[in-house]
Amino acid sequence: DTAVSQTPKYLVTQMGNDKSIKCEQNLGHDTMYWYKQDSKKFLKIMFSYNNKELIINETVPNRFSPKSPDKAHLNLHINSLELGDSAVYFCASSRISRASGRMETQYFGPGTRLLVL
Amino acid sequence: KQEVTQIPAALSVPEGENLVLNCSFTDSAIYNLQWFRQDPGKGLTSLLLIQSSQREQTSGRLNASLDKSSGRSTLYIAASQPGDSATYLCAVISLETSGSRLTFGEGTQLTVNP
Repeated sequence: DTAVSQTPKYLVTQMGNDKSIKCEQNLGHDTMYWYKQDSKKFLKIMFSYNNKELIINETVPNRFSPKSPDKAHLNLHINSLELGDSAVYFCASSRISRASGRMETQYFGPGTRLLVL
Repeated sequence: KQEVTQIPAALSVPEGENLVLNCSFTDSAIYNLQWFRQDPGKGLTSLLLIQSSQREQTSGRLNASLDKSSGRSTLYIAASQPGDSATYLCAVISLETSGSRLTFGEGTQLTVNP
């Protein structure tokens, strides 16, 4: 069974459209993340949710809105898509250690390749 | 703000060679450090996780070391194989008052030639 899954795998759309990317994890983790990988392959964190609560919100345009209906899902909605939004978006999950309160190993989804035309 | 740098950006070696990938970070107050592998068009796979209290971790032909005081980590790959060809990413988890954060380096693209 896939541990962290994302849909769709590929997304090609026109500028100005609104689109969503879904992420689900079946690892029982309590924390989920969205990362953006740009054309230079640099990974940058966008958002992090712990137990459905937003804990990390980097400087990301407010056209990007994460939604966590439950601990196993973290969806990413993007409004008014722009050319510069073209990238690979990775979802990840991890557990926060009860002993130390810190993050344990992150597991990543396969990525969603977004192309805005 | 934590910054992670990986050297070299790209590396090409013949099969069978031992090699070292380098990672440096600016803030030594880290919780742990993780090495990932990314294959073209694929997601990330965690290779090794080193806690801040540890000096090294080993898994098969891979050995990762951590020197927190100097802000450095190395990933040693023994007897490299063509299947090792991938991009290797180093990431550090930093301690912040707001929680934990994973910061990635830009990666080293490794090619092992048969």
